[in-house]
Amino acid sequence: AQKITQTQPGMFVQEKEAVTLDCTYDTSDPSYGLFWYKQPSSGEMIFLIYQGSYDQQNATEGRYSLNFQKARKSANLVISASQLGDSAMYFCAMREWGRGGSNYKLTFGKGTLLTVNP
Amino acid sequence: DAGVTQSPTHLIKTRGQHVTLRCSPISGHKSVSWYQQVLGQGPQFIFQYYEKEERGRGNFPDRFSARQFPNYSSELNVNALLLGDSALYLCASSLGGASYEQYFGPGTRLTVT
Repeated sequence: AQKITQTQPGMFVQEKEAVTLDCTYDTSDPSYGLFWYKQPSSGEMIFLIYQGSYDQQNATEGRYSLNFQKARKSANLVISASQLGDSAMYFCAMREWGRGGSNYKLTFGKGTLLTVNP
Repeated sequence: DAGVTQSPTHLIKTRGQHVTLRCSPISGHKSVSWYQQVLGQGPQFIFQYYEKEERGRGNFPDRFSARQFPNYSSELNVNALLLGDSALYLCASSLGGASYEQYFGPGTRLTVT
């Protein structure tokens, strides 16, 4: 089974509007973290936001917020007030801590290509 | 402060050849991970090194190997290159331990012909 599922291959949004990018995950590890990365056409992965499985509040970082619904195993990224520079691939990823707490592996979804229209 | 650096930026190799990719982590970071990103896919985990020891290995053949040096820089080696090895190879560094953030470099784009 896919550990990270991003069901939207592409999304379009008008400049200044909000957009939600979907991510669902699958794990039996009680301790895990969820990440969102942005990858412009240049290729570099840019860290956006992080949510730990035990965090009580949804994570926010500027215009980015993570809608974390643990029971539904979803971790959607919300971008408010979209800008033209937000056009990029967006990846959801998960790190499972495991019993030893030393697993640094990130498992990525297939990504969503976001296009912001003027 | 300098971010994660990778060299070379681009590389073209022929099937059957060997390639070495290099990564320098952010100063103070002791953990380096390698990922392969094939066009149209998310990155796939290859290796993770912490304090010069291999801590994790993804589902890649033995043609892939890596090492970490005393200054925490790292090399990824791929032998007997196949056309399917064409990809963007990303290096990520982190403090290690309980730190969760991984910072990625710009990647090396490898083309195998």
